[in-house]
Amino acid sequence: QVQLQESGPGLVKPSETLSLTCAVSGFSISSGYFWGWVRQAPGKGLEWIGNMLHSGTTNYNPSLKSRVTISIDTSKNQFSLKLSSVTAADTAVYYCERGRNMDVWGKGTTVTVSS
Amino acid sequence: EIVLTQSPATLSLSPGERATLSCRASQSVSNFLAWHQQKPGQAPRLLISDASKRASGIPARFSGSGSGTDFTLTISSLEPEDFAVYYCQQWITWPLTFGGGTKVEI
Repeated sequence: QVQLQESGPGLVKPSETLSLTCAVSGFSISSGYFWGWVRQAPGKGLEWIGNMLHSGTTNYNPSLKSRVTISIDTSKNQFSLKLSSVTAADTAVYYCERGRNMDVWGKGTTVTVSS
Repeated sequence: EIVLTQSPATLSLSPGERATLSCRASQSVSNFLAWHQQKPGQAPRLLISDASKRASGIPARFSGSGSGTDFTLTISSLEPEDFAVYYCQQWITWPLTFGGGTKVEI
């Protein structure tokens, strides 16, 4: 059974960089699939942030592209999200997911941007 | 980017009733469309992929149909646990996009 688990700071200061990690169990990242991130602001819908193929190809939402970096660590079977220059508008629940059709989701982690 | 428009925004129904949710794409997505269910305080979960294929473990009362620009998610007979928000999502092209969601409430 494939499971994803997000981790990272729950509070980030404005202008700093948000960093999250998604640990994957039950499946080897090196075996395939895109691995990505989706966020949901309080009371809002889902917003795709971006993803990365196991081989290294990345795709980002144009609205966030200048601030986003997604990377994969196959040795630890995990992938990460960095979002720079955060503002209050980046406060959200962040989910990691697998695949273009998002067939597996993590439980999500809440990130608040506040001083 | 491809815009997905879901209707209605809210669907008020009772257990046992049939629910019909719509998702319309601004351009053809062929059958590269998924439906996700999200219950309060929980992560979304995949219900339907490829417009009509139920994901593993999804009950048969959930069915998807459509191709191109018009899609439908049908819940044949609502169970109490089906009251949630449903999102369609296209994966034919970048950026991946979601519809705004349909809330199915009692």
